[in-house]
Amino acid sequence: GENVGLHLPTLSVQEGDNSIINCAYSNSASDYFIWYKQESGKGPQFIIDIRSNMDKRQGQRVTVLLNKTVKHLSLQIAATQPGDSAVYFCAENQAGTALIFGKGTTLSVSS
Amino acid sequence: GAGVSQSPSNKVTEKGKDVELRCDPISGHTALYWYRQSLGQGLEFLIYFQGNSAPDKSGLPSDRFSAERTGGSVSTLTIQRTQQEDSAVYLCASSLSAGYNYGYTFGSGTRLTVV
Repeated sequence: GENVGLHLPTLSVQEGDNSIINCAYSNSASDYFIWYKQESGKGPQFIIDIRSNMDKRQGQRVTVLLNKTVKHLSLQIAATQPGDSAVYFCAENQAGTALIFGKGTTLSVSS
Repeated sequence: GAGVSQSPSNKVTEKGKDVELRCDPISGHTALYWYRQSLGQGLEFLIYFQGNSAPDKSGLPSDRFSAERTGGSVSTLTIQRTQQEDSAVYLCASSLSAGYNYGYTFGSGTRLTVV
């Protein structure tokens, strides 16, 4: 499953599918980007980050892609599991400034 | 401590009253941040502290909001004369530094309800 565009608030996928969550960031001067996962009643939890001198970074089951030309960031989750159900936020900043968060996408994974 | 601790976890207050929200960051983290999250919304930056530098207050929505950080550790966010639109979850985060590659660790937040 994939969400496209500036902001798609929800994404529904089947367990085992790959998920792609997209984010358009606002500041061309931003050079550090992070994806966070937020479960109900909890604070956001770090997933993966990437600096502007990279265009791809992989973690465990997650990959972040950065396209600076169009100011686009994506999070790919492989073999999505019910435990991945949460709200996902992208965030951006420059050194010495606070992270600015996007609006978030709710990922729902059904068994 | 092992994580960022916020208290209280829930606060209900009457319109017009003052409230204080507390944040205990991870020991050794020099940067501390406050964000606000309204129901179903993203995180809105409020203020951040980095070491002994003057705080960045650019996100505070009005002069009813203030924050301090004593001894480079615990921080208190104060909202005076609370309004119903102040109802939200207030999240605190800390990081080793405000520089590059330092992801934030968030607390679980204080849910503020103004009635």
